[in-house]
Amino acid sequence: DVKVTQSSRYLVKRTGEKVFLECVQDMDHENMFWYRQDPGLGLRLIYFSYDVKMKEKGDIPEGYSVSREKKERFSLILESASTNQTSMYLCASSTPRSEQYFGPGTRLTVT
Amino acid sequence: DAKTTQPPSMDCAEGRAANLPCNHSTISGNEYVYWYRQIHSQGPQYIIHGLKNNETNEMASLIITEDRKSSTLILPHATLRDTAVYYCIVRVGGRNQGGKLIFGQGTELSVKP
Repeated sequence: DVKVTQSSRYLVKRTGEKVFLECVQDMDHENMFWYRQDPGLGLRLIYFSYDVKMKEKGDIPEGYSVSREKKERFSLILESASTNQTSMYLCASSTPRSEQYFGPGTRLTVT
Repeated sequence: DAKTTQPPSMDCAEGRAANLPCNHSTISGNEYVYWYRQIHSQGPQYIIHGLKNNETNEMASLIITEDRKSSTLILPHATLRDTAVYYCIVRVGGRNQGGKLIFGQGTELSVKP
């Protein structure tokens, strides 16, 4: 079975902190994605990557950056966390033509 | 913006078929229809997808109209564990899009005993 793991299920950080959210997939998938999910707004794509060291902005990239140094790992970075980045963060992976497999999510609270 | 329209909520009796409709009137010829569901506090789970033919797997059936402007997801014998938000998604094509999905608001399905 495809497995997508995220480093934490729950995370609490202070405003201004640098935050790293890690995602690892074990199926040798080329594509990886970061979404955030908020009540009433649904899932929104932050960034995606279709190859190592490649990244593309999604719909809401402001305030975020990403890193993909290895095929299996895709990191989301909040350079200076703010309270409006409190959200559920979901990572996913896929081949170029397959369905996406999602991780369990990280619920981030910024205080 | 999402390219699909779904009812915000539906109820279904346990053991009965759940039929979830989706409108995607602007779908392009090479775009697939995907269905995912999200059980509370979990990541979305893939259910099924199709291009123009009807599809069936162990979880559900997907019926796509001949003009491809709408589809229906059918859960043949709904159980309480099928209570979730169901998303109908038209998948954006092209390699540099990475197969990205645009999620709408989905349909909240409540299966009742």
